Order: sequence, then structure tokens, then C-alpha cells
Amino acid sequence: EVQLVESGGGLVQPGGSLNLSCVASGFSFSNFNMKWVRQAPGKGLEWVSYISSSSLTIYYADSVKGRFTISRDNAKNLLYLQMNSLRDEDTAVYYCARTPSASPDSWGQGTLVTVSS
Amino acid sequence: DIQMTQSPSSLSASVGDRVTITCRASQGIRNDLAWYQQKPGKAPKRLIYAASSLQSGVPSRFSGSGSGTEFTLTISSLQPEDFATYYCLQHSTYPPWTFGQGTKVEIK
Repeated sequence: EVQLVESGGGLVQPGGSLNLSCVASGFSFSNFNMKWVRQAPGKGLEWVSYISSSSLTIYYADSVKGRFTISRDNAKNLLYLQMNSLRDEDTAVYYCARTPSASPDSWGQGTLVTVSS
Repeated sequence: DIQMTQSPSSLSASVGDRVTITCRASQGIRNDLAWYQQKPGKAPKRLIYAASSLQSGVPSRFSGSGSGTEFTLTISSLQPEDFATYYCLQHSTYPPWTFGQGTKVEIK
């Protein structure tokens, strides 16, 4: 069974940093591209970042470019999102999602990031 | 960037009703579209991929159609467990991958 479990969320002050993790199991993690998608309270889904299976291709949404860094450790089946210079508008549930060639087919349960003073 | 416009933003329907949700792309995206269902406090679940292919394990009352710029998700006979919010996602031209704003299906 495919499982994705995010962790690392919490309350942080504006300007602060957090590092999210997503541990994968039940599939060959190193063969799959991955995404982070977020959802602000009461709002819709927003793509945040993408990393290819080999880490050779990385993309960011304009809203997080220069502040967030996506990475992965295929040996440990881990996906990361390092978030710096956090803003109020980054408050959201962050999901990691497995992405075969096209659209995400499996999602974690999400981790809540709250940016507030 | 490709914009995805979903309609309606919400609807009220009864069990057994046929429900149709539309997603329009600001430019052609071939059939590079997926539909997701999300229940409160839960992660999204993929229902349809490649515009019309049913995800394994998803009931056959769900169907998708369309190509180019206009797409529909149809629930042929609404069931109690189908009350949720539905999103489309385009993955034709990226980045960015863009979602529709969502359609909340509520009980009438």
C-alpha cells in the first residue's frame, strides 16, 4: 500500500523557518516524481513545488520562489521542503503527493503550517 | 500561465441526482486534466485522470469527458458519500500546475 506521511509543521513567527518532511513507503520512491501542494484554511489547492525522481528537475511556484527549497533523499525514501522567510500567507496544510508521469495519484494526510506572531 | 475556471463554485443536490461540474482552461490542454474529490479534513483523492480515465477503485458513477479547453465531471447518481469538494487540475503546460477553484457539492 502506498503511504506518504508528512511531518514538521507547526507554529512559526513571520520571517521564521520550518523544514517539512514526507516519508514514503509501499512503492519504489526513487522512481517517482514528487510534488508539494498546499491548502490555506478554507481555500483551494495550490501547487508549491516539484522535484523529479533524480532531483535533476525542480520547479517552484512564483509565490515561494527564492524562499522554499525542495529536495529528496532516495536512499531514505524522504522528501523535504525547507521553508524560509515565512509569511502569513504561507499558512496552510502542506501535502506531499506522488506524481507519476502526469497528475498526482497519492497524497499524504498533510501537515499544518501556521505563520503568526 | 493556464487558468482553470470551474463552475459552479457550489451546488445543492439530492441523493440520486445527476451532477455535472465543468472546468474550462484558458488555453488548450489536450486531455491533460485530472479530477479530485476532497472531503473535510482529508487529502484529495484522484477520481479521473487523462480527462476521462477512471482511477482504479473509484465507482463507475463518476465519469469525465472533454478535451482542449472544456471538461466535465459527471456523477450519474449522487450518493451520500459523494458530498465533498471537487477540483480539476491541468498538467499540460507547467510550471505552474494549476487547479480549478473547487466545486462544493452539498446536500439539498
